[in-house]
Amino acid sequence: AQSVSQHNHHVILSEAASLELGCNYSYGGTVNLFWYVQYPGQHLQLLLKYFSGDPLVKGIKGFEAEFIKSKFSFNLRKPSVQWSDTAEYFCAAYGSARQLTFGSGTQLTVLP
Amino acid sequence: EAQVTQNPRYLITVTGKKLTVTCSQNMNHEYMSWYRQDPGLGLRQIYYSMNVEVTDKGDVPEGYKVSRKEKRNFPLILESPSPNQTSLYFCASSGIAEYTDTQYFGPGTRLTVL
Repeated sequence: AQSVSQHNHHVILSEAASLELGCNYSYGGTVNLFWYVQYPGQHLQLLLKYFSGDPLVKGIKGFEAEFIKSKFSFNLRKPSVQWSDTAEYFCAAYGSARQLTFGSGTQLTVLP
Repeated sequence: EAQVTQNPRYLITVTGKKLTVTCSQNMNHEYMSWYRQDPGLGLRQIYYSMNVEVTDKGDVPEGYKVSRKEKRNFPLILESPSPNQTSLYFCASSGIAEYTDTQYFGPGTRLTVL
C-alpha cells in the first residue's frame, strides 16, 4: 500500500534559519507529490507540486522541494524562514490508487 | 470566487444522533473527497467520488456514508455518530485529471461527539 512518512513531527527554528522538512513515500510506480501548508485555524493550501521534469520544484512564499527518485524522497526547503511560516506542513502523494495519501504532518514553529 | 464550502463549521452532538455535513464546490470539478484530520495522523481519506453517482471508499470509511447526486455537492453522513468520530473534517475537490490536479480544500468542520 502507498504510504507517506514525515519523520519530523515538530520543528522549532529561529527566524532566518534554514528549513528542511523530510518526506519519504513508499510507492515504486509513477507518483505525483505535493506539499500543503495549514496555517493556524485555516484550511490546507498548496505550496508546491511535482509531476515530472525538473526534480527541483519551486513553490509559493520562497519554498522549494527536491524530488530524489532513488531515495523516494521529496524534501521541502526554505533558505530563510519567517515567523509567518509557523504552520503545519503536509507532504502528500498520488499513486495508482487514485487516492491522495498524506503524511502525518510536521508542525513548524518559528521564533521571532 | 472558486471555492469549496462546508457547513456547519462547528458541530457538537451526542452519540447516535444522525448528522450531515454538507460540501459544495463551484469549480465544476468531477472529483470530490472527504478527509478527517487527527493529531499525529495527518489527513486520512474517508470517501471519494469520481463523478455523479460514483463513490468509493477511502482508508477509513467505517461509520460514514456519502452521496453524489449532483456534481457540485458531496455530503458526508454519520448515521450513528460515536465519540471516536470526533475530528476535524475537510472536503476537497479537483478536476478529473486527479493525478495531476491540485485538490482544493474547504475550511473544515470541527465535529465533537459526546
